[in-house]
Amino acid sequence: EPEVTQTPSHQVTQMGQEVILRCVPISNHLYFYWYRQILGQKVEFLVSFYNNEISEKSEIFDDQFSVERPDGSNFTLKIRSTKLEDSAMYFCASSELAGRNEQFFGPGTRLTVL
Amino acid sequence: QKEVEQNSGPLSVPEGAIASLNCTYSDRGSQSFFWYRQYSGKSPELIMSIYSNGDKEDGRFTAQLNKASQYVSLLIRDSQPSDSATYLCAVNAGRRALTFGSGTRLQVQP
Repeated sequence: EPEVTQTPSHQVTQMGQEVILRCVPISNHLYFYWYRQILGQKVEFLVSFYNNEISEKSEIFDDQFSVERPDGSNFTLKIRSTKLEDSAMYFCASSELAGRNEQFFGPGTRLTVL
Repeated sequence: QKEVEQNSGPLSVPEGAIASLNCTYSDRGSQSFFWYRQYSGKSPELIMSIYSNGDKEDGRFTAQLNKASQYVSLLIRDSQPSDSATYLCAVNAGRRALTFGSGTRLQVQP
């Protein structure tokens, strides 16, 4: 069964450093998403991406964040200068273009900012 | 502000019983509704989607939607200890972003 994959599973970084989180969406899906979940809190939407551009973003997704689809399979989230409050689980998800927006989540990357 | 509300629980049911999980949402324009299961430390796993009023059944799971009352529920029949997890309600209001509730923790007692 096809699934979303994410690397790394755990990333530890120093405050102020740049991190890149990687995702491989399900191959026939055309919408891609990033969500985050701070420990003990709700899953929060960050950004959606379609046809090589951002289609929607939340207030959380400020200038420190960027997304890219560098090739035909990968989808990345970059945080330029990490802050302590960026520590969270980051989930990538994907959905088909057509259909009812069922989103399938990857296993997540746990980001720890020290 | 779009809100999705769930009772945090824990909801404790004995093995074999029916677990009933509830969710309300604030945005009347919401069109798509989802239930995800999340085990501790893991990612959300889609278990049910529902788009129109009424019931939708899939195996031991039944989702119920009442748009007039802005209410979604999930019934789990013949609950098993492996069903013990946090159940997340998620709502989509036309755009593709999902708004999640805080989840209900379900404990199924053997």
